[in-house]
Amino acid sequence: QVQFVQSGAEVKKPGASVKVSCRASGYTFTNFAIHWVRQAPGQRLEWMGWINVGNGNTEYSQTFQGRVTMTSDTSASTAYMELSSLRSEDTAVYYCARNGGGDCYPSTCYGYGLDVWGQGTTVTVS
Amino acid sequence: DIVMTQSPLSLPVTPGEPASISCRSSQSLLHSNGDDYLEWYLQKPGQSPQLLIYLGSDRASGVPDRFSGSGSGTDFTLKISRVEAEDVGVYFCMQALQAPFTFGQGTKLEIK
Repeated sequence: QVQFVQSGAEVKKPGASVKVSCRASGYTFTNFAIHWVRQAPGQRLEWMGWINVGNGNTEYSQTFQGRVTMTSDTSASTAYMELSSLRSEDTAVYYCARNGGGDCYPSTCYGYGLDVWGQGTTVTVS
Repeated sequence: DIVMTQSPLSLPVTPGEPASISCRSSQSLLHSNGDDYLEWYLQKPGQSPQLLIYLGSDRASGVPDRFSGSGSGTDFTLKISRVEAEDVGVYFCMQALQAPFTFGQGTKLEIK
């Protein structure tokens, strides 16, 4: 079945960087974009951006512009999200999720939903 | 950014009874192709979110038909025809029309 396995929990100091991985299985990895979404304690879900894992094209939320980098390794069917200059407000659970409509473009991700989610990775900045 | 507002934020429901959650967006979610780019997710306790509804009213694979989505433009509704114990959790709406994609605050459904 289609599933994502994310890397384990991280504890980081303010100012450091964190890199979270998301390994996919059960489908053709390069056919679907991957989104990253985070959930800080007591806050609503927050979309961070997407990556087309086949060609590396990305779109990031302006909130994270300059601090986030999304990459992929197609040989390992793995997507990565790196967040730098960490601060306490970045303490959250980070999720990867598949774009149900395939690849994304600057104008659209086709609206078919984030149809498969990883189990989440807890990042604590303290 | 498009602001998503849900109501109610807390929803106690008796099993077997219907439930309804409202989601409003600060801008129309109607795409030029005629589809509304509005999605519903359920996050069960201790789990990741799961997709329930996309394009406003299309049920995701495996979602029971007691869940239905309706609405267009800026006003949307998720309805559960008969709530079951397994439906407890937090329901989120999300707009996927325009980056940054944005979520509602969440509606916590609990069993009375």
